[in-house]
Amino acid sequence: AIRMTQSPSSLSASTGDRVTITCRASQGISSYLAWYQQKPGKAPNLVIYGASTLQSGVPSRFSGSGSGTDFTLTISRLQTDDFATYYCQQYYSYPLTFGGGTKVEIK
Amino acid sequence: EVLLVESGGGLVQPGGSLRLSCTASGLIVSNNYMTWVRQAPGKGLEWVSVLYPGNRGSSTYYADSVKGRFTISTDNPKNTLFLQMDSLRAEDTAVYYCARGLTYNGNLCDYRGQGTLVTVSS
Repeated sequence: AIRMTQSPSSLSASTGDRVTITCRASQGISSYLAWYQQKPGKAPNLVIYGASTLQSGVPSRFSGSGSGTDFTLTISRLQTDDFATYYCQQYYSYPLTFGGGTKVEIK
Repeated sequence: EVLLVESGGGLVQPGGSLRLSCTASGLIVSNNYMTWVRQAPGKGLEWVSVLYPGNRGSSTYYADSVKGRFTISTDNPKNTLFLQMDSLRAEDTAVYYCARGLTYNGNLCDYRGQGTLVTVSS
């Protein structure tokens, strides 16, 4: 199975900050990389797919980049609603796998 | 509107079995990629299984951690997705979510339910 490694596992930031989360795949996955946002007690929501395509309805302050094995999720100006846990997931091959998650907390 | 309602969770002893259901409205389960994902208490997300239609019937895939113990299936007249879980272990304790696949790639998931909690404990 492809292993997905996220960093950092958690971070503290203030509203208005720029935040970057990285995700590395143990082998090349082209651009078959998605980012999900999850809030406590809720199911995940898709934020970005294809490494860089914004899901419909997601604010443009979210962006993604990368291909192959290294990927990033960037939130340009953190808003209150963005405090959550973010997971990367590869959908290049089965079994699909998630990264360990990055919890974005209020500083 | 698409709705997915998970049910069937509960407390079960190690080695026991449980069948989870995901009842859908607003979509036809048999025409879609359908996925189960789980989340152990305080832990991250883990992809569990997918079932999707094809020209030669449906295809299924499983996480290594559940292969041979879990079975994904559908009841088309009831428009329901199932996850039969056998030989349960403590590490299977989690909230289980079902999801439908998005049109542009069935492995991208749209979660519409609240999940169902499975607790494996003696």
